This record gives sequence, C-alpha cells and structure tokens, in this order.
Amino acid sequence: DVKVTQSSRYLVKRTGEKVFLECVQDMDHENMFWYRQDPGLGLRLIYFSYDVKMKEKGDIPEGYSVSREKKERFSLILESASTNQTSMYLCASSDRVLTEAFFGQGTRLTVV
Amino acid sequence: AQKITQTQPGMFVQEKEAVTLDCTYDTSDPSYGLFWYKQPSSGEMIFLIYQGSYDQQNATEGRYSLNFQKARKSANLVISASQLGDSAMYFCALSRLAGYSTLTFGKGTMLLVSP
Repeated sequence: DVKVTQSSRYLVKRTGEKVFLECVQDMDHENMFWYRQDPGLGLRLIYFSYDVKMKEKGDIPEGYSVSREKKERFSLILESASTNQTSMYLCASSDRVLTEAFFGQGTRLTVV
Repeated sequence: AQKITQTQPGMFVQEKEAVTLDCTYDTSDPSYGLFWYKQPSSGEMIFLIYQGSYDQQNATEGRYSLNFQKARKSANLVISASQLGDSAMYFCALSRLAGYSTLTFGKGTMLLVSP
C-alpha cells in the first residue's frame, strides 16, 4: 500500500517559534510537494522538489523554506511562525511525470 | 499559467441519484493531465480519477467518470448512484506532462448527499 506520512496530525506552536513539518514517502517518487489549504482558497503550492537537494518555489513561498536531504523525506520549515500561518498543510509525492499524486493525511497547524 | 475554475461552492444530491461537478481549466501546455480528488471531513486527499489530454476515451473508475471536453476546456466529474459516504469536498486539479510538473487546484465543491 502506497504511503505518504506526515509527522504530526495536529500541532500548536507559539508565534516566533521555528517549526518543522516532516513528510516521508515510501514509493521512491522523484517529486515531492508542500501545499497549504485554507477555506475558500483551495490548495496553494508552497514549495516543491523534483530531486534530492533540489527545490523550487511555488505560489506562496514567503515565510517558508524546505529541505530534501534524502529522496524519501521532504521537510517544510517555518523560520519564525506567525498567526497567519495557521492552516492545514498537505504533503504529496509523485513520479517524475505527474499522472498520479499521493497525499499525506495533513497537519493542522495552529500558531498562537 | 495554469488555472482551474470550479464554479459550484456547494451541491446537494439525494442518495442513489447521479451528480455532476463542474470543472473548467486553462492552460497553454499541449500535453496535460486532469485530476479529481475527494477530501472527506477527516482531511485526507483521496485520488479519484485521472484524464490525460491525449486520451481518446473519457476516464472511468467505478462510479466515477470524467466527462472530458477538450474544445470547451472542461473536465466534469460525474458520480453515479450517489452514496452517503460521497459527502465530501471535491477538488479538480491540472498538471503539465512535460518538464517539471505540479498540481494546480481549484477551490473545490462541497457535495452533500441526503438520504
């Protein structure tokens, strides 16, 4: 059974904290993605990676960074969490040619 | 730039009836893919169906079918014989099939199935 696993289902952090969201896939996929989901806005792409140590900005990269040191792991970093980063974060992975993408269960992050 | 438009914020359907969720897209890429995902209240994104731009036939997966009309740039999802468990948020998405690709999502349609 294919799997994308996110490290936390729910997370509460304080303003100004450095936050790490981890994502691991077991399908040997080249592509990995981080999306943010907010009501009425759908899913918006934060960053994606098409290979180890490679990263590309998505539509809303401000306030975020990413790390991909191993093929199976893609981390999203909030350098200094702010309340407007309270959201649902979804990780996904796919083969190089994107004909199917698998998502993790999502992390609901609340910044207080 | 790629864009997905879902014009129906919410839809209601009675159990056992068919329902169509609308999706139109805009892309300048000659080769692309169209996806539908289901998101129940638990939050997970469940892949439902995929259609490639060069596929001759409309995609089908069980009770799901994708009504692909290339000239109209539409990719509507048809759910036949709705079930109570179909109540969820549904997202249409678009990818390019050449180069480095990402999924561009619409804002979603909330489907409620009543007994």
